[in-house]
This record gives sequence, C-alpha cells and structure tokens, in this order.
Amino acid sequence: ETGVTQTPRHLVMGMTNKKSLKCEQHLGHNAMYWYKQSAKKPLELMFVYNFKEQTENNSVPSRFSPECPNSSHLFLHLHTLQPEDSALYLCASSLGDGSNQPQHFGDGTRLSIL
Amino acid sequence: KNEVEQSPQNLTAQEGEFITINCSYSVGISALHWLQQHPGGGIVSLFMLSSGKKKHGRLIATINIQEKHSSLHITASHPRDSAVYICAGPSFGNEKLTFGTGTRLTIIP
Repeated sequence: ETGVTQTPRHLVMGMTNKKSLKCEQHLGHNAMYWYKQSAKKPLELMFVYNFKEQTENNSVPSRFSPECPNSSHLFLHLHTLQPEDSALYLCASSLGDGSNQPQHFGDGTRLSIL
Repeated sequence: KNEVEQSPQNLTAQEGEFITINCSYSVGISALHWLQQHPGGGIVSLFMLSSGKKKHGRLIATINIQEKHSSLHITASHPRDSAVYICAGPSFGNEKLTFGTGTRLTIIP
C-alpha cells in the first residue's frame, strides 16, 4: 500500500475514444505529478500540480488534459490518442513540489492504444 | 537539463552477492533519489540524499557531491531484490526530477 491509488490499472482504448485516468492520495501532500513511462525509456514528467495549481507542463500534447480539483485528486483526461501514447502512466505525490521532497508513486495505469 | 546516467543497465547475480549500482549526473544537485520499480510497475522511493551515506536494512546509498556520483549497494542480495533501480536528480535551472534509464537487477536463487 503506497498511499497513492491509481485507477484503472489497465486500459485499452481506440484512437477515437475518450477516457480518464484517476489518481488519489490521502497522505496530506500538496503536490501531485503525472509521469509517462514508455518501454526502455526513462520516466518522463508530464504535469505537476502544487496546491491545485499547475506548475509544470512538460510540452505535453493537448490530447492529454490534466485536472486537479483538490490536493488529493488528480485526473488525466485522454482523447484521440495515438499508438505511440501506449505506455505506463504513473501518478506521484509529495509534500511540496521541490526536488528535495521524496515522491510517493501509485502502481500506474498501463494504457494500450489500438 | 541534468543528464543522469546509470550503470550497468542489466545485472544478474547469485543470491547472497554484494550488489553495486552506479549513477552519475552532469550538474550540481540539492538531492539525489533512488527508486525501486517492481515488475508490476509500482515505484517505491528508497532514498533521498544530498551528502554522505544512508542505510536502510540491507540497502546502502552513498553520494560524492564533488564527483557527481552516487552508488546503491545491496548486501546479502535476495531474489526479492529483483527489480529495476532508478536514480533521479533535478534538472538544471528546474527543480523537477530527471530520471536515469534504470538498472534491471535479477538475483538468482
């Protein structure tokens, strides 16, 4: 139990579908992150939220749309994705958004685009 | 951007062996992170260190700030240590983390 819960664990969708990934933490953290992990590549930061405000968008295509309604919940809305978007999407949280804060990760959502 | 390099990429060892995984980074950092990723995908933060050495059970992490180098050691390795070990440090001019490609460790019984 990591304290960060992601749903669903697996998702298969077509390129024209719309779906959402959900992340939830009750660790009292203020910062939340979305990462993408493609096969044989390092983790790539996508978005950072701190106190519900987006503080980082790492040049992510607009077909990925994040939403952070409160410090405990983070969503990633997906629409018209491409096959190269198939990857493991990981959510993390930390007390603050600096690099000197340990991050707690969820188990990830494995996304496959048909 | 901070370049984070790990070696080796893959490591297979017998149970009980002493394991060393290395991490080098290109710019000065405030803290370096070591993470463990199991086959299911979940990631666990092992250490965050900015100087010296930290120990947790059979795991030891060291860092040399001047040489921009860190090592993760596992003593008396066990098959359950089999995982991908990742180091991460902040990007230059940006406090967000840049991750290494990971070291895949396999411990054979």
